Amino acid sequence: QVQLVQSGAEVKKPGASVKVSCKASGYTFTSFTIHWIRQAPGQGLEWLGWINAGILNRKYSPKFQGRVTITRDTSASTAFLELTGLTSQDTAVYFCARAGPKTGTELDSWGQGTLVTVSS
Amino acid sequence: QSALTQPASVSGSPGQSITISCTGTSSDAGAYYYVSWYQQHPGKVPKLMIYDVSSRPSGVSNRFSGSKSGDTASLTISGLQAEDEADYFCSSYTSTTTLVFGTGTKVTVL
Repeated sequence: QVQLVQSGAEVKKPGASVKVSCKASGYTFTSFTIHWIRQAPGQGLEWLGWINAGILNRKYSPKFQGRVTITRDTSASTAFLELTGLTSQDTAVYFCARAGPKTGTELDSWGQGTLVTVSS
Repeated sequence: QSALTQPASVSGSPGQSITISCTGTSSDAGAYYYVSWYQQHPGKVPKLMIYDVSSRPSGVSNRFSGSKSGDTASLTISGLQAEDEADYFCSSYTSTTTLVFGTGTKVTVL
């Protein structure tokens, strides 16, 4: 079965960077797109960007352009999200999700989430 | 890109039907049939309930249905059950090849 397993919780100081990983299994990693989404405490879902794991196309939310980088390691079937210039507003649970095979816009499998806390 | 607009809360009694709206623009929900709906219980991971406006993934109850008219998509839950109490988020593909989520709706079963 499709599984996405994310790295553990992180605590960072303001101004630092964080890199979260998302290891995929149960399907051909390079045949699907991975999206990254975050959810601040008590808030809604916010889309950060996507990467096509096969052909390496990427797209970022304009809000995070310049601060976010999504990469992947095909040999490890793992996608990565790096966010720089952290502030307290970046405190959130970060999710990776696979875009499904129908139209590539439906997120049919999600990682368990990684809590990133930004605090001085 | 601005979030799609959803009502903050919707409630209904067991067995009733409720509808959650999701309003976007001509650059997202109004332009494409790529609207999805997700259910999220407290402390849990979001679950895909509807994709491509009205398609249901395997395993999702047929009590959940979706539709779209103009810039507004809708999720209807019929035969409301206690287990349906959760937060619901819509999402849409956009003209700039990004995704945008809705503001979220808390569904309460009275």
